[in-house]
Amino acid sequence: NAGVMQNPRHLVRRRGQEARLRCSPMKGHSHVYWYRQLPEEGLKFMVYLQKENIIDESGMPKERFSAEFPKEGPSILRIQQVVRGDSAAYFCASSQTWGRTEAFFGQGTRLTVV
Amino acid sequence: ELKVEQNPLFLSMQEGKNYTIYCNYSTTSDRLYWYRQDPGKSLESLFVLLSNGAVKQEGRLMASLDTKARLSTLHITAAVHDLSATYFCAVDSEPDTGTASKLTFGTGTRLQVTL
Repeated sequence: NAGVMQNPRHLVRRRGQEARLRCSPMKGHSHVYWYRQLPEEGLKFMVYLQKENIIDESGMPKERFSAEFPKEGPSILRIQQVVRGDSAAYFCASSQTWGRTEAFFGQGTRLTVV
Repeated sequence: ELKVEQNPLFLSMQEGKNYTIYCNYSTTSDRLYWYRQDPGKSLESLFVLLSNGAVKQEGRLMASLDTKARLSTLHITAAVHDLSATYFCAVDSEPDTGTASKLTFGTGTRLQVTL
């Protein structure tokens, strides 16, 4: 059973470009969470999604950031018109559909904006 | 807003010594996690503490939870170099929901074990 898969592992974008980060949850998991980790800091919650629904996006910046988790395919975190301050590690976690179960983290995508 | 504070932020200790990392949080929660992160890597789950008084041990690490004091500790016994990493505690922000929910992380404790 593969774990949470994120790709790409490393992504370099120029200022103003778009960044797309993908997350495939563990098999049987339909809850996905995105977190951002700035250098030397802890992880900060961004958004919580279930299939085709955004449940909690209280940690998402109001502009340029969006997330989706379609019925088929991975969850996507999209950052438009990236700026240097978006450089960070973005982690995805997934959990099962029922009960208070632990979320498992992917390897992360390290975004560098140049 | 839930706040989670860890101390110390940085800890340098010699092999063989004991030490404790503290995690304080600001609101009621009965669900707390400890993670380990190596540089450039993801988070490795160490412990899940689900109730007041919970104590779990794995190797040289032992974690406990006091929900009344809103405090968790991660105790390191006879440290070895391989334990060098950053350790995070994380608190379940919405423990009353029926599913796993968002976590609020502490700032992390960077542990360096020297020979």
